[in-house]
Amino acid sequence: NAGVTQTPKFQVLKTGQSMTLQCAQDMNHNSMYWYRQDPGMGLRLIYYSASEGTTDKGEVPNGYNVSRLNKREFSLRLESAAPSQTSVYFCASGQVYEQYFGPGTRLTVT
Amino acid sequence: KQEVTQIPAALSVPEGENLVLNCSFTDSAIYNLQWFRQDPGKGLTSLLLIQSSQREQTSGRLNASLDKSSGRSTLYIAASQPGDSATYLCAVNPLGRDMRFGAGTRLTVKP
Repeated sequence: NAGVTQTPKFQVLKTGQSMTLQCAQDMNHNSMYWYRQDPGMGLRLIYYSASEGTTDKGEVPNGYNVSRLNKREFSLRLESAAPSQTSVYFCASGQVYEQYFGPGTRLTVT
Repeated sequence: KQEVTQIPAALSVPEGENLVLNCSFTDSAIYNLQWFRQDPGKGLTSLLLIQSSQREQTSGRLNASLDKSSGRSTLYIAASQPGDSATYLCAVNPLGRDMRFGAGTRLTVKP
């Protein structure tokens, strides 16, 4: 039982490049989330998926897209990376308002 | 809009001291409140979850309280140890909306 896993752990991109962050959970949760964490600002919700086949915008969705591939997997895509997207990205899964977090992906955009 | 504030931003205490971390939120219409621990370069580990109908939750040396009417929660750590050094995050679940996090309190417990 691995919980929530994320790949990659670290990534450096150049401005304008694209990439996809992967997330998977093995807890059979319906809901999955993507957050970003910036210094002094706490975690902010980018997108969430309440169930397989549905996605909704969170607080800071601009510049991102998501795909809920199946119940286990929820990916986050940066189509054209910008320096403002330098952050630590966390995926979470949960149900009934309790969330479990992955280890995070540290992304740097130069 | 729900705002979550944690004070202080950083705290340094000697080993063995009892301490209190504070969390305040602006909208009392919450489903629950959760305290997390985050170690440097790591993800979030849930410590305690308090439902809106509860006043407190305890786990070992940790005790979390919730006062919805005043928009406050506290995390009490008894007999602090160097292994308690981490950032502690408070998060509220507003009814029907996404979770909102505070910026965290960075705790250092000195041997």
